[in-house]
Amino acid sequence: KQEVTQIPAALSVPEGENLVLNCSFTDSAIYNLQWFRQDPGKGLTSLLLIQSSQREQTSGRLNASLDKSSGRSTLYIAASQPGDSATYLCAVKGPSADKIIFGKGTRLHILP
Amino acid sequence: KAGVTQTPRYLIKTRGQQVTLSCSPISGHRSVSWYQQTPGQGLQFLFEYFSETQRNKGNFPGRFSGRQFSNSRSEMNVSTLELGDSALYLCASSLGGEAFFGQGTRLTVV
Repeated sequence: KQEVTQIPAALSVPEGENLVLNCSFTDSAIYNLQWFRQDPGKGLTSLLLIQSSQREQTSGRLNASLDKSSGRSTLYIAASQPGDSATYLCAVKGPSADKIIFGKGTRLHILP
Repeated sequence: KAGVTQTPRYLIKTRGQQVTLSCSPISGHRSVSWYQQTPGQGLQFLFEYFSETQRNKGNFPGRFSGRQFSNSRSEMNVSTLELGDSALYLCASSLGGEAFFGQGTRLTVV
């Protein structure tokens, strides 16, 4: 049974710092891994999608890496801004189904 | 291109009632999934439909059901509502493995 863990659960950093959010999963047989952002009371916004054959994806100040063998992914945010404050969720899709397993998220607060 | 649309955005229901939530996927997406999000349990998978057929089902009681229509729009129904059903219900449509979520329906059971 796939389990997804995100550490830390919450993080506060000063504006301008680079930061790394961690995601680990127990079953390396995945189809893809997706990082989402969620603002309070809102839906999920897709940030980056990494296919199982890929090692990383980049979008603007965001970079996500994937190491299937170790069951890990990281989301790197460069030059953080107050607008980056949100909950970041890691989600893993299994190889044969469209069921997505989510981590509990990292609540990020960027201090102005 | 319109995103995933969920209606209504907010609902307040009484224990014992039933409720129907609606989800319109992105045009061209045939897969629709539903998730329940609560502070304690996080995001939990309810079920997934593809071309009007349920392909996967999560670990929820039979009070939770869904269906998908020929235009890929999906509905989710919860019968005999309980206080613990209060949650944000999210719908996602998928194409090529990437999921796109709607804004959710906030259900409060009183």
